[in-house]
Amino acid sequence: NAGVTQTPKFQVLKTGQSMTLQCAQDMNHNSMYWYRQDPGMGLRLIYYSASEGTTDKGEVPNGYNVSRLNKREFSLRLESAAPSQTSVYFCASSEAWDRGVYGYTFGSGTRLTVV
Amino acid sequence: RKEVEQDPGPFNVPEGATVAFNCTYSNSASQSFFWYRQDCRKEPKLLMSVYSSGNEDGRFTAQLNRASQYISLLIRDSKLSDSATYLCVVSGGFKTIFGAGTRLFVKA
Repeated sequence: NAGVTQTPKFQVLKTGQSMTLQCAQDMNHNSMYWYRQDPGMGLRLIYYSASEGTTDKGEVPNGYNVSRLNKREFSLRLESAAPSQTSVYFCASSEAWDRGVYGYTFGSGTRLTVV
Repeated sequence: RKEVEQDPGPFNVPEGATVAFNCTYSNSASQSFFWYRQDCRKEPKLLMSVYSSGNEDGRFTAQLNRASQYISLLIRDSKLSDSATYLCVVSGGFKTIFGAGTRLFVKA
C-alpha cells in the first residue's frame, strides 16, 4: 500500500545507546518530517526536510540528528539515548514545503522506551 | 498559553448524539486549519480541512472563526466508530502546530 513506512515499530534502549529510525515514503512527496508525541502534548516537530538535500531543526531538535538520504527516505538518529526521549515517534510527508496546506501523511509510529 | 488549545475531554456520548469540539489558537497570522483523527495507538489521519466559509463532509462540519481565533468540529449522529482522539492543527508562516487532542468515546 502507498504511504509512509517506519521501522522499527517498537524499541527499548538503554541510556547512552544509539539507534536510527528509518522512514520511507512512496508518494513522491517533497517534504518529510519527524515528530514526537508525548501524553498530554501535541505532536512536536523534531526535524524536517523541505526538499531532497535540505534539513532543518524543528521545535525539539536537541539529542537528534537526521539524514535525507534521497527523495523517499528520511532517517532520525539518536546518538546517545536518554530517558527523556521515551516517546512515540512519527514520520510524516507532504507534497509541499509549506507543510500544512495539503495535509500530512503519517507513518504508523515507533514506540521507543529508554531505560 | 499554548499556541493551540483543546479541551482534553474525554467526551462520553451515546450513539446518535451530536458532539462539538472547539479549538483556540493564538497566532492571528495562521492561514490553514485542519482536523485530524487519531485512533488509539495509531497515527493521525487527516479528517478534513477547515475553510473560512465552513465546510461539511457527511456527518462532520468544520467551522472557522478568525475574529475569535477558534475552529470547531461538529459530529452529528455519532457512531461507535467515531471513538478516537481529534486533533486540531493550525498552520501558518511555515509553522504547523498540533493541539494535544480531544478524546471521544461513543457508547452503545
